[in-house]
Amino acid sequence: AQSVTQPDIHITVSEGASLELRCNYSYGATPYLFWYVQSPGQGLQLLLKYFSGDTLVQGIKGFEAEFKRSQSSFNLRKPSVHWSDAAEYFCAVAPFFGNEKLTFGTGTRLTIIP
Amino acid sequence: DTEVTQTPKHLVMGMTNKKSLKCEQHMGHRAMYWYKQKAKKPPELMFVYSYEKLSINESVPSRFSPECPNSSLLNLHLHALQPEDSALYLCASSQDQGSPSGELFFGEGSRLTVL
Repeated sequence: AQSVTQPDIHITVSEGASLELRCNYSYGATPYLFWYVQSPGQGLQLLLKYFSGDTLVQGIKGFEAEFKRSQSSFNLRKPSVHWSDAAEYFCAVAPFFGNEKLTFGTGTRLTIIP
Repeated sequence: DTEVTQTPKHLVMGMTNKKSLKCEQHMGHRAMYWYKQKAKKPPELMFVYSYEKLSINESVPSRFSPECPNSSLLNLHLHALQPEDSALYLCASSQDQGSPSGELFFGEGSRLTVL
């Protein structure tokens, strides 16, 4: 069965600093990988996704993620965070076909300090 | 229009009440989903409808009854709920259940409180 681990429950960074959120997955083959963001009291918004090809994917709001098969990781990065980036971030994995079994990690809460 | 609209945004109900949550999308998506999210937890899949037919029920108690009247609408009927059912209920849609696109479009959720 597929699974996703986000080792960091809560991360605090200063505005303007760089950010990296960690995600490790377990799956028998190459999965579909996603990062979603959830602002307080809101639904989830897709930041970016990886299916195949270039292992560095660009997303919305200046985010990018790199797929590393050897490390089973899909870490999310942003070179300079803004106060509006404060939110909960979920990494998710889905099997090769079908997204009904999207499995979410437990999330990382990002706090931005001035 | 890339929105999934959920109503009501907030709902408070007693354990004997009957209420419904509604979800609507006009993106032409053929798969729609209900998720339940407890505080500080990831969303948990409840139901999936594909082409207006229930395709997945994740062993959800019968006090939750989904309905898909047409391809744009998804309801969740609630009856005899328990306080532990209090949560944020998220509706989502995707182009097709079997699509590899993987992108779910989420609504803002309905926050349910059961007294």
